[in-house]
This record gives sequence, C-alpha cells and structure tokens, in this order.
Amino acid sequence: QVQLVESGGGVVQPGGSLRLSCAASGFTFSSYGMHWVRQAPGKGLEWVAFIRYDGSNKYYADSVKGRFTISRDNSKNTLYLQMNSLRPEDTAVYYCAKDFPKGNYYMDVWGKGTTVTVSS
Amino acid sequence: EIVLTQSPATLSLSPGERATLSCRASQSVSSYLAWYQQKPGQAPRLLIYDASNRATGIPARFSGSGSGTDFTLTISSLEPEDFAVYYCQQRSNWPPGFGQGTRLDIK
Repeated sequence: QVQLVESGGGVVQPGGSLRLSCAASGFTFSSYGMHWVRQAPGKGLEWVAFIRYDGSNKYYADSVKGRFTISRDNSKNTLYLQMNSLRPEDTAVYYCAKDFPKGNYYMDVWGKGTTVTVSS
Repeated sequence: EIVLTQSPATLSLSPGERATLSCRASQSVSSYLAWYQQKPGQAPRLLIYDASNRATGIPARFSGSGSGTDFTLTISSLEPEDFAVYYCQQRSNWPPGFGQGTRLDIK
C-alpha cells in the first residue's frame, strides 16, 4: 500500500542541525512532488517546503528559508529535509506528504510524522 | 500571502447533527481550496479538493462548497468518528497555507 515513513527526529540544541528522512513505498515516487509540513505542539499545520518530482525546483516557507534544505533521491525513494541553525520555534512534528496529482500543492498521502524538539 | 480564517474555533455537536464549518480567505483563491481532517495523534487526511470534490474513499456525508473567498465544509449527519480537527488549505497563491483549524467536539 501507499506509505510514507519519516525518521530522523530527536532533541537538538538551539543552533544545531538535524536531517529528516521520508521513505516512500507503494507508488512511483519519482513521478510526484513532495512536501514537508510541520505542526508545533497544540498548534495548526504549517507548510514548510516542496520539491518537484525531479528535484528541479524547491520552495520554502519564509520561516525556514536559508536554514532548511529539501532534497530527494529518486533511486532510493527517499525525501530529505536538512535543518540547520535550529531554533526553539522549529519544535514540531514534521510530516512528509505526497503532492496530489488532481490538484498540485494539495497533499493526499501523509506519513505519521517525526518529532523534532529544539531545546537546551 | 493569503490568510485563511476558520470559524468557529470550536463546534460542539451531537452525533446525527449537521455540522457547518467555515473558511474565509483574505483574497480570492478561486476554487483552489481543500479540507483536511486530523484526529488526535494522527496525520491529516485529505477530504475535499478544489472546494467541492471528495477525495477517494471519503463518505458522501462530507461535502464542500464555495468559491472566491468564502467556503464551507458540511457534514450532513455526524458519525462518532467525525469528531476531529478540520483544516482548510489554499493552493491559489504561494505559499500553500492552512487555516488555523476548527475543532469539532462531541456535545
């Protein structure tokens, strides 16, 4: 079945770095754009980043631009989010999500999320 | 950046009742609006796309309407599993942002 599984979350000090991964299965990963969306504790959803199916274009929320980098390895069916210069306000559950083919920039398949905590 | 405002923040209803949730955009998003459902400890699920189209496997009791700046998600007769948080999301303008959510509680 179609599945996304995130990993790489953890506790990191302010200013530190972390790389999240998202392993995809059950669909042709290389044919779809992919998103990262985060949710701070008790808060709503915040779109973070998007990468096109072939990695040719990448887009970021202003809140993470210059600090986070989205990338993908289509040979490994894996999406990444490199997070640098982390701040306490980056604390959240990070979800990877597949772009919806009938309406680009909606998300039709989501992982269960991985938790990132930025704290000293 | 387009701001989506959802109302009410919390809606308390009983099973079998009709739920009406609102999402208002700060400028027109045409019909490029989706609705998601999120249950505690779970990832969001796409319910409605392009304002009124149900996603695959979504029950017919869920319907969406609206265009421009005003949108509505209607659940015709609430089932126990429908009590959750609902988010709207627009894809008309970059970035593709979400509303702050409406919590649907059991009365």
